[in-house]
Amino acid sequence: QSVLTQPPSVSAAPGQTVTISCSGSSSNIGTNYVSWYQQFPGTAPRLLIYDNSKRPSGIPVRFSGSKSGTSATLAITGLQTGDEADYYCATWDSSLHARKFFGGGTKLTVL
Amino acid sequence: QVQLHQWGAGLVKPSETLSLSCTVSGGSFSSYWWTWIRQPPGRGLEWIGEINHAGSTNYNPSLESRVTMSVVKSRSQFFLNLTSVTAADTAVYYCARGFIRFDLWGQGVLATVSS
Repeated sequence: QSVLTQPPSVSAAPGQTVTISCSGSSSNIGTNYVSWYQQFPGTAPRLLIYDNSKRPSGIPVRFSGSKSGTSATLAITGLQTGDEADYYCATWDSSLHARKFFGGGTKLTVL
Repeated sequence: QVQLHQWGAGLVKPSETLSLSCTVSGGSFSSYWWTWIRQPPGRGLEWIGEINHAGSTNYNPSLESRVTMSVVKSRSQFFLNLTSVTAADTAVYYCARGFIRFDLWGQGVLATVSS
């Protein structure tokens, strides 16, 4: 069981905005950077957001990240059917030997 | 363009050792930490551990007693050995680049533990 909690699923219509939350504690999200990953079935995850809110080269501006206290949020604006995937947050825990953790993952359905 | 290519045994018998390899091509090996992550079928991602070019390692405490990671710097390769495997170790295993963010991933290898 992960120390990071994500909703199992979210859904929204094309063109809308969806947010995915990632809840942790003071020793992980509260202290350390959060990254977000997108995974399509049968493929490796792809880095979407790092250092809470930075986008790697090639990631559309429709994807954004934020952090407040012990929670982080991934927002996707202008939803497209091609965004339908699993999304994972990740960070490390300062109280657990710097062990890295992923959230349980959120399945995004674009209606 | 930097790429990670991984390979290893797809079928492993219970109690035996799972061995995987990952080769880094097209970029620096020494400047990064290298990580192993796994994903059981239909489930989420689990961090296994990490290693740098000098062989320094950090392992997931839940797997530490069974995990060994190593590197061959001259070949830009790193390796994962997981001993005494059980069905619970059946997963897609990924190699990835990074320490606090994983910006490059291998293609993944399915390792099935079965007799």
